[in-house]
Amino acid sequence: LAKTTQPISMDSYEGQEVNITCSHNNIATNDYITWYQQFPSQGPRFIIQGYKTKVTNEVASLFIPADRKSSTLSLPRVSLSDTAVYYCLVGDMRTNAGKSTFGDGTTLTVKP
Amino acid sequence: NAGVTQTPKFQVLKTGQSMTLQCAQDMNHNSMYWYRQDPGMGLRLIYYSASEGTTDKGEVPNGYNVSRLNKREFSLRLESAAPSQTSVYFCASSRQGSEQPQHFGDGTRLSIL
Repeated sequence: LAKTTQPISMDSYEGQEVNITCSHNNIATNDYITWYQQFPSQGPRFIIQGYKTKVTNEVASLFIPADRKSSTLSLPRVSLSDTAVYYCLVGDMRTNAGKSTFGDGTTLTVKP
Repeated sequence: NAGVTQTPKFQVLKTGQSMTLQCAQDMNHNSMYWYRQDPGMGLRLIYYSASEGTTDKGEVPNGYNVSRLNKREFSLRLESAAPSQTSVYFCASSRQGSEQPQHFGDGTRLSIL
C-alpha cells in the first residue's frame, strides 16, 4: 500500500513560491505520483502528474528524486486563489486502484 | 462541458433508510470511482469500476453497494443508512491506465440522522 505523508498545513504570502513535499516510501515500480487541488465544497482537481525527474506545466512543477520515495509540488508566485487543500496520490490506478489512497492533504493558506 | 455529474447534491436521511447516489460522466472514460470525505479528512475509496462490467472494493466498502449500469453511469447504494455514513461523497472517472488522472464531480452531501 503506497501510503503518503504530507504536512498538515502551510502558510505563505502572495507572490512567493510554495513547495509541498509528499513522502511515499513504499512506492512501487509502476506507481505514478499525482497531485490534486481541492477548494471547499468542490471535488478535487488534477494539477500535475509525474513518474520520475521533473515535470512542469502551466500551473506547477513536480520534482521527483531518483529513489522516488518523495516528491515536491512547487507552486510559483502563489495568489490568494491558491488557498486550498493539496493532495498527493501515489498508485497504479490500473492495477491497484483499491490500494491507492489520498491521505489527509496539506492545507495551504495564502495571505495578502 | 458537464464532465462528472452527481445527483442529488444534498440529502438528509433517517437511520435505516436506503438511498442511491447517482453518477454519470460524459468523457467516455472506462474507469469510475466512489469516494467519501469526512470533515477535515482526505478522500477514502469506497468502490471502483476499472471498466464496464467490473467492480471492486476499495478501502472502506462496508455498508455500500455499487452498480456500473453502463459505461457512463456508476451508482452507489446505501441499503440501511447509519449516522457513521454521514459524509460528502465524490464520484470520479478516468481513462484506463496508471498515468490517467481522475476527474471529480462536485459531491453529494449526505446527512444521516
